[in-house]
Amino acid sequence: DAGITQSPRHKVTETGTPVTLRCHQTENHRYMYWYRQDPGHGLRLIHYSYGVKDTDKGEVSDGYSVSRSKTEDFLLTLESATSSQTSVYFCATGARVSSSYEQYFGPGTRLTVT
Amino acid sequence: GENVEQHPSTLSVQEGDSAVIKCTYSDSASNYFPWYKQELGKGPQLIIDIRSNVGEKKDQRIAVTLNKTAKHFSLHITETQPEDSAVYFCAASMSAYSGGGADGLTFGKGTHLIIQP
Repeated sequence: DAGITQSPRHKVTETGTPVTLRCHQTENHRYMYWYRQDPGHGLRLIHYSYGVKDTDKGEVSDGYSVSRSKTEDFLLTLESATSSQTSVYFCATGARVSSSYEQYFGPGTRLTVT
Repeated sequence: GENVEQHPSTLSVQEGDSAVIKCTYSDSASNYFPWYKQELGKGPQLIIDIRSNVGEKKDQRIAVTLNKTAKHFSLHITETQPEDSAVYFCAASMSAYSGGGADGLTFGKGTHLIIQP
């Protein structure tokens, strides 16, 4: 699992509250990603980072922000949680292997917004 | 942007038989196609991948084939075993051969593979 931990693993929160999910890696991989997984949708990219303080938007970035102040940590923030953000969130890291980048996933965080 | 379609959504096979999962992609610039296996309550695990300069790749009981012209790729699992039961995802990106960026992956919606004893 490439030394990726996510915290918390489970969280229940109320609509309108801010929420921060944390991803921590011990592999010193340059690239990090946040995906969400919903039934019938597979995994969809929210944001990604290609270095400290360098981030970019993915397919479903509205309502989310990210920060990366250290190589090993990548934070995902929901400024004001909505019920549509109830999902399982996966962090991934990217490492260059041969001629391409491979991605490795963490164990996930199950977020419920009531 | 890229769109990946995956079929079937559920596949049930007898133990020992072969299983085939198929994916199509829309962006001809995609050049990296990984497959992930996800067990219940866990994160996806990379099991095999293929790059656009290769037509087929094999690793023990699993193999992946790529047809660039038709823009489709497939996962083949032979001699299926109970531990192969899981959800399998295909994905596509343009990260192969890239000198800098590592784009996020675009995933199919998954195939629930059930191995019947």
